[in-house]
Amino acid sequence: AQTVTQSQPEMSVQEAETVTLSCTYDTSENNYYLFWYKQPPSRQMILVIRQEAYKQQNATENRFSVNFQKAAKSFSLKISDSQLGDTAMYFCAFMKHENYGQNFVFGPGTRLSVLP
Amino acid sequence: GAVVSQHPSWVICKSGTSVKIECRSLDFQATTMFWYRQFPKQSLMLMATSNEGSKATYEQGVEKDKFLINHASLTLSTLTVTSAHPEDSSFYICSARTRTNYGYTFGSGTRLTVV
Repeated sequence: AQTVTQSQPEMSVQEAETVTLSCTYDTSENNYYLFWYKQPPSRQMILVIRQEAYKQQNATENRFSVNFQKAAKSFSLKISDSQLGDTAMYFCAFMKHENYGQNFVFGPGTRLSVLP
Repeated sequence: GAVVSQHPSWVICKSGTSVKIECRSLDFQATTMFWYRQFPKQSLMLMATSNEGSKATYEQGVEKDKFLINHASLTLSTLTVTSAHPEDSSFYICSARTRTNYGYTFGSGTRLTVV
């Protein structure tokens, strides 16, 4: 079974600064996907960024980028130029690559507060 | 983009009654729908996987007779919490896979409070 760990229950960052959220996972799979989802107070799950395990290049989406270390099973999220709207719970998630229609395995989450 | 509409967004019910939560895929066909449960300040835990036209697959520890899932069409999956008790109070979220580039979309969630 796959497990996802996020060792930082809560973090805070000043507006416009950079913050990195940690995520490690455990799996025996070789092909899989990793995700970061954001859950603001509205509780709507919003995809932040996605990484395919077979790609060595780290994914980036505007101010969001990841540091994917496959051998270390690490998948951290860097948020640059933090904005007040980035305040939310952030969940790291794992998904097997095998078949169409796989479910997510979520980490416990990191609550990020962006301070003005 | 792909949208999953989840209703109701919140519901309060009395102990012993049943509550139905609906998730509809508005602009795509969802052959598979996932149902998650989220306790306060905790992560999402998969409850069951719903496949159109077949029985749902439940995760270990989830009572299939309490959490009835029906996926009768490619656009609608329902979760019915039967004989609800206060410990069933939680946030329930559905998720469906879209056919666009490994996309997944989530419903907006349902906050269930059993009194």
